[in-house]
Amino acid sequence: AQSVTQLDSQVPVFEEAPVELRCNYSSSVSVYLFWYVQYPNQGLQLLLKYLSGSTLVKGINGFEAEFNKSQTSFHLRKPSVHISDTAEYFCAVSSGYSTLTFGKGTMLLVSP
Amino acid sequence: DAMVIQNPRYQVTQFGKPVTLSCSQTLNHNVMYWYQQKSSQAPKLLFHYYDKDFNNEADTPDNFQSRRPNTSFCFLDIRSPGLGDAAMYLCAAGGTSSYNEQFFGPGTRLTVL
Repeated sequence: AQSVTQLDSQVPVFEEAPVELRCNYSSSVSVYLFWYVQYPNQGLQLLLKYLSGSTLVKGINGFEAEFNKSQTSFHLRKPSVHISDTAEYFCAVSSGYSTLTFGKGTMLLVSP
Repeated sequence: DAMVIQNPRYQVTQFGKPVTLSCSQTLNHNVMYWYQQKSSQAPKLLFHYYDKDFNNEADTPDNFQSRRPNTSFCFLDIRSPGLGDAAMYLCAAGGTSSYNEQFFGPGTRLTVL
C-alpha cells in the first residue's frame, strides 16, 4: 500500500517570498511522484512529475521539487511567489500500474 | 489541443432525481477515471475504466454507476442523489504507460437541493 502525507494544510506567505510545500510518501516499491495545482472551481493541473533520473525536477510556473529517497520526501519549492499562485496543491504517488494516491492538499495563500 | 472536457460545468439537481455527468477526451487514452472531491478534501477515486474493463473502488456507493460507450466518452450516473453527494466531480484520462500520469478535466460542480 502507498500513502502520501502533506504536513501543512495551509501555508500563508507574502508575495515575492520563497515557499516550500512539504510532501512525504510511503511505499514498498519504486514510486512515481506528482504535484498538481487546483485553482478555485477548476480541475487539477499537473505542475511537475518525478519518474526517474535527476532528483531535481522543474515544472511549470517556476516551481521545482526535489525527490529524496532516503527521507521519502518530494517537497515543492518556488523562489518567489506571486498572488496568482494562490491555489490548492496536491502531492500524489503512483507505483507502476496502480492508481494515484493523493495527499490531503496544501492551500497556498499569497498576500501582497 | 488534446484535452479532457466535462459537461456541464455546474449541475443542479433535486434530492432523489437521477443525474448524469459527461466526460470526453481527445487524448485517445485507454484509461478514464471518475473522482469525487468535497470541499477542502483530496479527490476520491470512485471508479475507472481500463478500455472497457470497469474497476469499482470498494467503498463507492451503489448509487454511483458509470458507462463508457467508446474510448472518448465516459458518463457518471447518480441514481438517487442525496445531499451528501453534492461535490465537485472530476474526470481524468491516462495512458497505460507505467507511471500512470493522469490528465484532468475542469470538473462538474453538483448541487443537490
